[in-house]
Amino acid sequence: AQSVTQLDSQVPVFEEAPVELRCNYSSSVSVYLFWYVQYPNQGLQLLLKYLSGSTLVKGINGFEAEFNKSQTSFHLRKPSVHISDTAEYFCAVTSYSSYKLIFGSGTRLLVRP
Amino acid sequence: DTEVTQTPKHLVMGMTNKKSLKCEQHMGHRAMYWYKQKAKKPPELMFVYSYEKLSINESVPSRFSPECPNSSLLNLHLHALQPEDSALYLCASSPLGGRALGTYEQYFGPGTRLTVT
Repeated sequence: AQSVTQLDSQVPVFEEAPVELRCNYSSSVSVYLFWYVQYPNQGLQLLLKYLSGSTLVKGINGFEAEFNKSQTSFHLRKPSVHISDTAEYFCAVTSYSSYKLIFGSGTRLLVRP
Repeated sequence: DTEVTQTPKHLVMGMTNKKSLKCEQHMGHRAMYWYKQKAKKPPELMFVYSYEKLSINESVPSRFSPECPNSSLLNLHLHALQPEDSALYLCASSPLGGRALGTYEQYFGPGTRLTVT
């Protein structure tokens, strides 16, 4: 069985500061990893994905994440956040022949001026 | 184009009503999904269609009835819902179905905000 843990339910940060949102996963097989962002009253938008290859993945809106197999982590980072980055961020995991995308509980990023 | 569209955006229905939610994608994706999302929670999977056939039903009550008329369309028919069914209903699609279901990312629509009175 697979699981995802997002330890931080909320991360407050000042505008233009760097941010890291943490994601750890558990799986007995090789995984595919994703970060999604959800703005208020909207659907989920794919930020970035790790399927294979380079462990440093760059996504949209200046976000990047690093897959660390030994630490079973896929933390999301941005060097300088904007007010518009305020949203809910979900980490998710799946694997080949698994029909289910397993989501973490989400982290609310709150960017303050 | 990585767009999934959903209609209506908002829906208010009584417990005796029958209504339908519609989802459409024109990316040629062969897997489509329905999710339910309550406030401040991650989406919960309801149904998976793979190559236009229902392949997964996550023990969803029969008052929710999915339908896949063709490879681009997915409907969710609602009947005799309860107030606790009020939620954001999300549709998603991904490129491949069958054994490759988990191989690719899912693309989500904007959702339908459903309120049951």
